[in-house]
Amino acid sequence: DAKTTQPNSMESNEEEPVHLPCNHSTISGTDYIHWYRQLPSQGPEYVIHGLTSNVNNRMASLAIAEDRKSSTLILHRATLRDAAVYYCILRDEMKTSYDKVIFGPGTSLSVIP
Amino acid sequence: DTGVSQDPRHKITKRGQNVTFRCDPISEHNRLYWYRQTLGQGPEFLTYFQNEAQLEKSRLLSDRFSAERPKGSFSTLEIQRTEQGDSAMYLCASMRGGFGQETQYFGPGTRLLVL
Repeated sequence: DAKTTQPNSMESNEEEPVHLPCNHSTISGTDYIHWYRQLPSQGPEYVIHGLTSNVNNRMASLAIAEDRKSSTLILHRATLRDAAVYYCILRDEMKTSYDKVIFGPGTSLSVIP
Repeated sequence: DTGVSQDPRHKITKRGQNVTFRCDPISEHNRLYWYRQTLGQGPEFLTYFQNEAQLEKSRLLSDRFSAERPKGSFSTLEIQRTEQGDSAMYLCASMRGGFGQETQYFGPGTRLLVL
């Protein structure tokens, strides 16, 4: 299974944009890139996903490199509520019968008031 | 609220006791996952179901752990003869299907403390 690497931690000032990177150099052509985040004492929650094109939703934007070997989750204006652990994972469109959905350690984002 | 519920939310037990956790997924979701999470770590995959069939079990799931999903609806995770190392957050997630675009919906978790 293709793996992802993320920085252990990042800091951002409140109301500033945040760019959270993820490397996935062994990504296959059928892997979707998913981002989840986990607020303290809660289960993870879905943020965004994409395959090749950049994606936007009400929570964030996902920028995918042209070679797809890296991606960046963009929070346009960080708030204190965005302080969480952010996970980047890959899910293979073709592996419908073998889909463990593996989480790495993620990036712990701190937001400074 | 994601629509996935877990019960109980907290459990304190003594070493050697058995515990059972329940997960109620979103009703139309046929995939159900169990994860374990310890402090500072990401969720570790334990097992998952496609409807009532258990398709994959992690090596983390020792013989003391068993999971069921009768009739493809709710699921239970039982830990027999608990050990202090079993103390963790146990997370359940459901997903509509197995395709790459589908997203997981997590419950709030059950926090287990083994004394």
